[in-house]
Amino acid sequence: ETGVTQSPTHLIKTRGQQVTLRCSSQSGHNTVSWYQQALGQGPQFIFQYYREEENGRGNFPPRFSGLQFPNYSSELNVNALELDDSALYLCASSSSLTGEGNTIYFGEGSWLTVV
Amino acid sequence: QKEVEQDPGPLSVPEGAIVSLNCTYSNSAFQYFMWYRQYSRKGPELLMYTYSSGNKEDGRFTAQVDKSSKYISLFIRDSQPSDSATYLCGGKAAGNKLTFGGGTRVLVKP
Repeated sequence: ETGVTQSPTHLIKTRGQQVTLRCSSQSGHNTVSWYQQALGQGPQFIFQYYREEENGRGNFPPRFSGLQFPNYSSELNVNALELDDSALYLCASSSSLTGEGNTIYFGEGSWLTVV
Repeated sequence: QKEVEQDPGPLSVPEGAIVSLNCTYSNSAFQYFMWYRQYSRKGPELLMYTYSSGNKEDGRFTAQVDKSSKYISLFIRDSQPSDSATYLCGGKAAGNKLTFGGGTRVLVKP
């Protein structure tokens, strides 16, 4: 148990729709990152949030956006869903913005299928 | 070229054997290296975390990092069927952006 919880665990959406995924970070962790993991691939960094602001972004289009709340929980929003967005979306939390000397823990993920 | 490369496997070993997993990376800025285990349809579970070059041991697991050759390894001693999973290696510079390899699938046969 990492203490990182995500919801929902599974969902199916239609192309063009919008989706919101949620994450509660481990107690004491103020930094949340989101990753996308396509089937058979390693996770890819989407973006990171620290103190309610985006702080670092991977190679993902603007239709991927997020929020972090004062309690450090976070949301990932994806607009205009495409078939290629079908993947496992992972939330990770850590206790330091710089990542020095700390470790990164993942939740169980949210499986998104776009049809 | 991907920043982190892993052989996808599957790597099949008999129970009790040593599992040897390797990754290469190209980003010289990486200072921290992690190994995660991922069971089917589950989130990655942190196994080992190392800083810079050197060895680290934790129970049946040993992680090695050689920054001069940009090579990282994980060894699993006395492998068990429950070790059957996909193993992900990752590297990062300062910050929390982890860059992963594609994962190596391991099968430990009873």
